Amino acid sequence: GQQLNQSPQSMFIQEGEDVSMNCTSSSIFNTWLWYKQDPGEGPVLLIALYKAGELTSNGRLTAQFGITRKDSFLNISASIPSDVGIYFCAGQLRNTPLVFGKGTRLSVIA
Amino acid sequence: DVKVTQSSRYLVKRTGEKVFLECVQDMDHENMFWYRQDPGLGLRLIYFSYDVKMKEKGDIPEGYSVSREKKERFSLILESASTNQTSMYLCASNIAGVADTQYFGPGTRLTVL
Repeated sequence: GQQLNQSPQSMFIQEGEDVSMNCTSSSIFNTWLWYKQDPGEGPVLLIALYKAGELTSNGRLTAQFGITRKDSFLNISASIPSDVGIYFCAGQLRNTPLVFGKGTRLSVIA
Repeated sequence: DVKVTQSSRYLVKRTGEKVFLECVQDMDHENMFWYRQDPGLGLRLIYFSYDVKMKEKGDIPEGYSVSREKKERFSLILESASTNQTSMYLCASNIAGVADTQYFGPGTRLTVL
């Protein structure tokens, strides 16, 4: 089945640094989503994007829906220790199951 | 508060056993999903259901079956568990056609010995 290309696969950063990760696809999507998974838990939705070019923020998180509808990025500003986890992008075309990236594992060094 | 619950957080079974993983959602969602999560492979869709008694194969259905007798409950069945089915299993549900309503359960970590 289709999977999104998510990068980087893992990141080690210092507390206070900004983080950037992205997702690309060979297909277009109507919706892009970003999830975070804490250790031992299920993924939780962070941001949802519905229109090409849309830029949306949620606190220190900012995500954009690419103009071509084939990519999206997520930025985290001024990282803190609780940002540790796995971040997943997901795309959807109409009422079909979400397609997920393989995840970016974020580690924050205090 | 929306909720997807899974019957067990941790499960240990022996090769060849029949295994049932249960998922219940209290949000009256039409759609329900089962994924498995393995390091480096992300979330892979096993089966999904858009309605009671309806099921569709996902990307990796081999070795699994599902049951949806009631709207709120979606069960994943391993007919004869094998060691390569050791994994984290995640259940999710959403409102039909509304992607940002997809909520996940806490996951079941299954070990098959």
